[in-house]
Amino acid sequence: AQSVAQPEDQVKVAEGNPLTVKCTYSVSGNPYLFWYVQYPNRGLQFLLKYITGDNLVKGSYGFEAEFNKSQTSFHLKKPSALVSDSALYFCAVRDTQSGGYQKVTFGIGTKLQVIP
Amino acid sequence: GAVVSQHPSRVICKSGTSVKIECRSLDFQATTMFWYRQFPKKSLMLMATSNEGSKATYEQGVEKDKFLINHASLTLSTLTVTSAHPEDSSFYICSAPDSYNEQFFGPGTRLTVL
Repeated sequence: AQSVAQPEDQVKVAEGNPLTVKCTYSVSGNPYLFWYVQYPNRGLQFLLKYITGDNLVKGSYGFEAEFNKSQTSFHLKKPSALVSDSALYFCAVRDTQSGGYQKVTFGIGTKLQVIP
Repeated sequence: GAVVSQHPSRVICKSGTSVKIECRSLDFQATTMFWYRQFPKKSLMLMATSNEGSKATYEQGVEKDKFLINHASLTLSTLTVTSAHPEDSSFYICSAPDSYNEQFFGPGTRLTVL
């Protein structure tokens, strides 16, 4: 079984400061990992993904995430937060052990609030 | 990236009526689409996997007769909420995956049942 944990329900950070949104995962095989952002009353927007290769993944809007296999983590980071980054962030995982379009499991989401 | 559309974006209906929500992949073909339900301040709950040309696969606890899914073509899946009740009010989101299972999401449909 696969699972994702986002331990923080909410993260608050001052504008211009670095931000981190935490995510840990559990899979049987190797993971595909994703981050999505959701603005109020909107669908999810893709930020970045880790499939294979470099552990540091760069994505949209200046976000990046680091895949850490030993800690089974995939934390989302940004060097300098913007007020417009305030939104709901979802981490997601898919286990690659099985083929086909296996379902993706989402974390519960972390609300990011960037304070001006 | 790929684009997935949903229609309608918002619907209000009376209790007891049925509502159909469409999910379209606009620039790619999707043999599989996923339907999610999102409650306020909650994560996405996978309801079912829509399979082109075959029956949908429903998650445990999701009523098949309540939430009818039809994947009529490689670009269209529909979710019909039958005999809707106020507790069915929610935000429904569909997605379609690429070969890496990067899922492209529709903008969502806000259903309000009076």
